Amino acid sequence: QTVVTQEPSLTVSPGGTVTLTCASSTGAVTSGHFPNWFQQKPGQAPRTLIYSTSDKHSWTPARFSGSLLGGKAALTLSGVQPEDEAEYYCLLYYGGTLVFGGGTKLTVL
Amino acid sequence: QVQLVQSGAEVKKSGASVKVSCKTSGYTFNSKGISWVRQAPGQGLEWMGWISADNGHTDYAQKLQDRVTMTTDTSTSTAYMELRGLRSDDTAVYYCARSQGDINFDYWGQGSLVTVSS
Repeated sequence: QTVVTQEPSLTVSPGGTVTLTCASSTGAVTSGHFPNWFQQKPGQAPRTLIYSTSDKHSWTPARFSGSLLGGKAALTLSGVQPEDEAEYYCLLYYGGTLVFGGGTKLTVL
Repeated sequence: QVQLVQSGAEVKKSGASVKVSCKTSGYTFNSKGISWVRQAPGQGLEWMGWISADNGHTDYAQKLQDRVTMTTDTSTSTAYMELRGLRSDDTAVYYCARSQGDINFDYWGQGSLVTVSS
């Protein structure tokens, strides 16, 4: 069974920069996994931030960026805002099956 | 504007079935797919499967493939997810999301709470 691993929690100061990562138990994450990143706030539906590793939707704030870093998918927030406090999930594609990571709770403090 | 509007909350008995709907608007329905994701209380997101609104092709999560069926009605631009043999651990919020194929998500529905009681 494929497992996708994210940091359980991270803390960042307002205005700071933080990188969340997404690792696959099958090996290095590549563009062929089409990493998607989602933000979810309590009581709300998830919101898609990033698709296909680094592509942004029209509503994605410029401070969010996606990449591949050291064999993992990565989501970097630059100039963190208080409203960025949320749970973040990655999603990886495995040829007809998709697997979510366990989520990273980001605290802005 | 693109919208996905899901059906309301349901309470079901163990062993019953539930069918959640996802009515779409604001785009050409058969140009995209619909993925289904669920979230148990206090837990993370779980991918359930995907259906092409173009040709009805489906991919299901292995753990659910014996109990889940995803369908679409192109005449009403609505997608459906039916889950049979409900158990207490199926209690969750069920989300639909529009996707390009099954790989790139964009818009999400508001979620539908399904509660399974014994």
